[in-house]
Amino acid sequence: GNSVTQMEGPVTLSEEAFLTINCTYTATGYPSLFWYVQYPGEGLQLLLKATKADDKGSNKGFEATYRKETTSFHLEKGSVQVSDSAVYFCALNGATGFQKLVFGTGTRLLVSP
Amino acid sequence: DTAVSQTPKYLVTQMGNDKSIKCEQNLGHDTMYWYKQDSKKFLKIMFSYNNKELIINETVPNRFSPKSPDKAHLNLHINSLELGDSAVYFCASSQGTSGSTDTQYFGPGTRLTVL
Repeated sequence: GNSVTQMEGPVTLSEEAFLTINCTYTATGYPSLFWYVQYPGEGLQLLLKATKADDKGSNKGFEATYRKETTSFHLEKGSVQVSDSAVYFCALNGATGFQKLVFGTGTRLLVSP
Repeated sequence: DTAVSQTPKYLVTQMGNDKSIKCEQNLGHDTMYWYKQDSKKFLKIMFSYNNKELIINETVPNRFSPKSPDKAHLNLHINSLELGDSAVYFCASSQGTSGSTDTQYFGPGTRLTVL
């Protein structure tokens, strides 16, 4: 079945540091890939998505590229802010059948001033 | 305007009780979902409805019964609550049912605590 593997957290960075959160997936065909963010005490918000190989999703300075050859969708940001502290979820929606998101375990990011 | 709303935001109850969580979306979407987030933040789908019809049931115990009175609402009723039901429950919606590109929009979550 489909699955998503994310790096364990927490990831602790200082403000303005470079961020990478690794995400790899297992799926048949060409799934769509998503990054969702959950700020403390809130629900999930879509951060970015990519629906086909080599697509780059970007939003709020974050970006991720759909790499079919390495089955990866790593999240990057060049300069993090304290306000980026949250839990980040990588997810996929399978290419066939009814839609259902399969999530990774989430990675908590802590950014200190 | 809240796209996907849930009530209540917090729910504290005793073991054995029956409770309901309500969800409404004003996005005009055809498909709605319930996800469960456990204490380790792991998210897993429970149910999916399209135009009031159940299309996904991920081996959830029979004590959980979703009900969709119309395509804008998907409620979750839980009978005989157990300690292990304590979690955050998220409602979501999307336009389509199949094909992978649709974005799912999530509600703010309902934190259920069973004592």
